[in-house]
Amino acid sequence: RKEVEQDPGPFNVPEGATVAFNCTYSNSASQSFFWYRQDCRKEPKLLMSVYSSGNEDGRFTAQLNRASQYISLLIRDSKLSDSATYLCVVTAWPGTASKLTFGTGTRLQVTL
Amino acid sequence: NAGVTQTPKFQVLKTGQSMTLQCAQDMNHEYMSWYRQDPGMGLRLIHYSVGAGITDQGEVPNGYNVSRSTTEDFPLRLLSAAPSQTSVYFCASSSPGQGLNTEAFFGQGTRLTVV
Repeated sequence: RKEVEQDPGPFNVPEGATVAFNCTYSNSASQSFFWYRQDCRKEPKLLMSVYSSGNEDGRFTAQLNRASQYISLLIRDSKLSDSATYLCVVTAWPGTASKLTFGTGTRLQVTL
Repeated sequence: NAGVTQTPKFQVLKTGQSMTLQCAQDMNHEYMSWYRQDPGMGLRLIHYSVGAGITDQGEVPNGYNVSRSTTEDFPLRLLSAAPSQTSVYFCASSSPGQGLNTEAFFGQGTRLTVV
């Protein structure tokens, strides 16, 4: 079983739609949680950190459920530019972005 | 700002050849890591370093060596290339103690093919 599991997709949605991605992690010692975005053949870039209380950044909302070891990402009002692969990432090192464990990613394609 | 710079961007090796993938960062980050990305596998940690002179193994270290003589540089050496090492390699750096807003910065990747 992978340490971080994601639905690989692809999710094909029309522009303006709301789409949600889910992720589960198996290491209960995980301390920090992130969503990274990776465009085709490019490097991953941080989209947002995920806080225990949930957090929002514009059209993006992330939630963390430590009891269920579950992380989610909600994208509202999807744009064509949101088309990318979204990586769920965790680490057992508190307060760091090192020794990261990645999910395989969920591919999003936003269409006209 | 250069950020994290990886060279080369592309490389083809013959089985048994050795080579070094270069990684340099100009952000004075203490932590540096190497990952490989394969289809269906996600990024996997090869080696990491928490500072100059300190390195440790990640999830998939076999066939790779690293050293960290300076804060800026973290080269990855393939000792005897094998077709199983065909992959995209990413170097990343980060700074400790940033709390929840910490971020790893990645280089643009090296696409390696071993034939």
